[in-house]
Amino acid sequence: DAKTTQPTSMDCAEGRAANLPCNHSTISGNEYVYWYRQIHSQGPQYIIHGLKNNETNEMASLIITEDRKSSTLILPHATLRDTAVYYCGDFGNEKLTFGTGTRLTIIP
Amino acid sequence: EAGVAQSPRYKIIEKRQSVAFWCNPISGHATLYWYQQILGQGPKLLIQFQNNGVVDDSQLPKDRFSAERLKGVDSTLKIQPAKLEDSAVYLCASSLGQSTLLEQYFGPGTRLTVT
Repeated sequence: DAKTTQPTSMDCAEGRAANLPCNHSTISGNEYVYWYRQIHSQGPQYIIHGLKNNETNEMASLIITEDRKSSTLILPHATLRDTAVYYCGDFGNEKLTFGTGTRLTIIP
Repeated sequence: EAGVAQSPRYKIIEKRQSVAFWCNPISGHATLYWYQQILGQGPKLLIQFQNNGVVDDSQLPKDRFSAERLKGVDSTLKIQPAKLEDSAVYLCASSLGQSTLLEQYFGPGTRLTVT
């Protein structure tokens, strides 16, 4: 299983784009990159996932580098409700493995 | 659509006691997962069921932890006897199947404190 590393914490101003990086240098070719977030006292919530191509949905965009060693989750217009811990993880061997997460704080 | 239900939400026990957690997945979801989340860490998979069969229990401490999903719907996770290091949030999740492309839906978790 790939090991992912993320910054421990980040701040972002309300209304600005939040860019959360993740390194997954040991990810194998068939392992998807997943992002979940966890708001205080709740279970994790799925955000987005991708394999090679960039992905976008109603919540966020996922940019994966060509060598697949890193990715960036982009929240285009952060709101106060986006304050949470964001987990980058990989899905390999039929198992989802979470990283240690980035605590994102949105500043009013 | 009702989400994943878990009970109890909180539990405090003394070490060497037993405890059980219950999970009701989203209706129609064949795959059920139990995760352990220690404070400050990401969730770690303990066991995965596909219907009522175990798919992966490689990270389940089988000397003290057990889990079952007898009718392929509800599931229980038991710890007997509990240790101090078992203090964590126990999360249940479900998905339609095992496919890589299917998201997992998580319940609110049970926060266990072992004293």
